[in-house]
Amino acid sequence: GAVVSQHPSRVICKSGTSVKIECRSLDFQATTMFWYRQFPKQSLMLMATSNEGSKATYEQGVEKDKFLINHASLTLSTLTVTSAHPEDSSFYICSARDADAGETDTQYFGPGTRLTVL
Amino acid sequence: GQNIDQPTEMTATEGAIVQINCTYQTSGFNGLFWYQQHAGEAPTFLSYNVLDGLEEKGRFSSFLSRSKGYSYLLLKELQMKDSASYLCAVKDSNYQLIWGAGTKLIIKP
Repeated sequence: GAVVSQHPSRVICKSGTSVKIECRSLDFQATTMFWYRQFPKQSLMLMATSNEGSKATYEQGVEKDKFLINHASLTLSTLTVTSAHPEDSSFYICSARDADAGETDTQYFGPGTRLTVL
Repeated sequence: GQNIDQPTEMTATEGAIVQINCTYQTSGFNGLFWYQQHAGEAPTFLSYNVLDGLEEKGRFSSFLSRSKGYSYLLLKELQMKDSASYLCAVKDSNYQLIWGAGTKLIIKP
């Protein structure tokens, strides 16, 4: 099946620093990638939709200047959390839509990145 | 507004059968997904339903009734490794996924 990787899997940083998370589709092309955030015991919350070669579409309430998304190629999207604060500590998950999947249009999820901001 | 309802938690016995229900009210419908999520991990895809009826895939089956806004995930021959959260998600008219909060399934020996 389709594989999506994320790097790093865990990151601990100091308040005020920036953290970059990479999301890669390893064996398929992903014209669209999604970034989610999940707080403990809560559902996934979509942060933004990233389309290759164009600006990301952010969900209401998500600061685009704080969560920078770049989707420079069909297999790579990055999320940069700028000037991170403790309240940004969360589990960040990316998913990629297989462009050739047809009607199923399934999203394949990366393993997630646990961010802890001290 | 858009809403997905699932039970918060269910308990079942190893070897038994369990049915996890999901009801939805969304603006449009373009398919329903079930995902499994183990603690601390990302969700993994289980099933996709867009037409009414039952889709069987090994020990797991998923059912959809669009007229009732209802789906269930049926797990047979439960194993301890099936202990996880099961997420129901519906794709709305904008092809955006609306997620349920998930059902935590606890399997007891």
